[in-house]
Amino acid sequence: QSALTQPASVSGSPGQSITISCTGTSSDVGSYNLVSWYQQYPGKAPQLMIYEVSKRPSGVSNRFSGSKSGNTASLTISGLQAEDEADYYCCSYAGSSTWVFGGGTKLTVL
Amino acid sequence: QVQLQESGPGLVKPSETLSLTCTVSGGSLSSYYWSWSRQRPGKGLEWIGWIYYSGITHYNPSLNSRVTISVDTSKNQFSLKLSSVTAADTAVYYCARANYALEDTFDIWGQGTMVTVSS
Repeated sequence: QSALTQPASVSGSPGQSITISCTGTSSDVGSYNLVSWYQQYPGKAPQLMIYEVSKRPSGVSNRFSGSKSGNTASLTISGLQAEDEADYYCCSYAGSSTWVFGGGTKLTVL
Repeated sequence: QVQLQESGPGLVKPSETLSLTCTVSGGSLSSYYWSWSRQRPGKGLEWIGWIYYSGITHYNPSLNSRVTISVDTSKNQFSLKLSSVTAADTAVYYCARANYALEDTFDIWGQGTMVTVSS
């Protein structure tokens, strides 16, 4: 069970859109529509932003959206704001009642 | 509103057993899976394992031989034990609820507790 692959960092200017990829295998991301995304500020706990690939929990801005194609899931943030600067982690069900996280992506708002 | 709070020693000696407890307030353990994850300094999240309120457990295969997760419904708590720890187990440990309504996504997290393994 290897960690999902995410870019170490992405950046964008306010108002722009960015996309963070999360690449797994046919044993995890590719097999299940159970990908979630978490936002984490330094020293804080992760916060759920997207679940089941593309669903948003109540209270999460509609600027956040998710998608999946094959073994790769993606998180898109549109209308980038300074408050979006944080670390983002993907997570996928990996079968046999186990889960795997991505390595994390640091988003910088320029 | 459901809240989770981790507790336990912040310092553990190498080769000993790390023991943490997560106390759930504002709700019951019933019908949910309850999870432990960790984050090594400057690194990403790593899922450790989870337990159903009835006691069924599942662990990360890479940690399976050293991990035990248990539940105490009378105290509304669940616990993590990690044996034979080394410096590589130094991390912030988080407990979280897996919400069946969200296909067991981890929707509520504790604030995390830092555990350092050192003599």
